[in-house]
Amino acid sequence: QKEVEQNSGPLSVPEGAIASLNCTYSDRGSQSFFWYRQYSGKSPELIMFIYSNGDKEDGRFTAQLNKASQYVSLLIRDSQPSDSATYLCAVAAGNQFYFGTGTSLTVIP
Amino acid sequence: DTEVTQTPKHLVMGMTNKKSLKCEQHMGHRAMYWYKQKAKKPPELMFVYSYEKLSINESVPSRFSPECPNSSLLNLHLHALQPEDSALYLCASSQVTGVSDNEQFFGPGTRLTVL
Repeated sequence: QKEVEQNSGPLSVPEGAIASLNCTYSDRGSQSFFWYRQYSGKSPELIMFIYSNGDKEDGRFTAQLNKASQYVSLLIRDSQPSDSATYLCAVAAGNQFYFGTGTSLTVIP
Repeated sequence: DTEVTQTPKHLVMGMTNKKSLKCEQHMGHRAMYWYKQKAKKPPELMFVYSYEKLSINESVPSRFSPECPNSSLLNLHLHALQPEDSALYLCASSQVTGVSDNEQFFGPGTRLTVL
C-alpha cells in the first residue's frame, strides 16, 4: 500500500507569518507531487505541483521537493485568514494518484 | 474553459433507488476520475478512465457503475446504495494519466445522502 503522510494538525499561525506544511511518501517511483487546498464543504483546488528536486515558487507559495528523503513541503508566506483550510498533499505514480490525510491550517488574524 | 462541472450538487436517495451522477469537462482532457470523500478524510480514488476506457477500478462495490460515453462526459450510476455510501462524490480530469505534470482538476462535487 502506497502511503502519503501528513501531520493532521491543526496548525495555527498568526496572520503575516510563514506556514510550513510537510508531506512524506513511501513510493520511490513517485513522479510528481501536488498541493491542493480544500475549504470545508468544497472540492480540492490545485495550488501547485512539482516534479523536480528543489524549490518552485508561485506568488506566496513555495513547494520544495527532496526525492532522496521522499519529502515534499509547502511554504505559505504572508499567511492570510483566507488561507485557513485543509491542505492535501497528493502523489502521482504511474496511473495512481494518492492523497495524504491533509493538514488543517488556521491563520489567526 | 478550465472547469469541471458536476450535477446534481445535492442528491438524496433511498436504498432502492437508481440515480446517476454526471460530470463534464471541455478542456480536452483524456483522463477522468471518480473519487469518494467522507467528512474529514482525504478523497479516495474509485475509478479512472483513460481515453474513454476504464483503467482503474479500486475494488469498488458493483452498486457503483461508471460510464464514460465520450471524452467529455463521465457518469456514475448508483443502485441499491447503503447509508454508509453517503459522501461527497468528486469528479476530476487531467490531460492524460501517467505523466509527470499530470495535475488533476476537480469539479465541485455531488453531496450524496442515502436514507
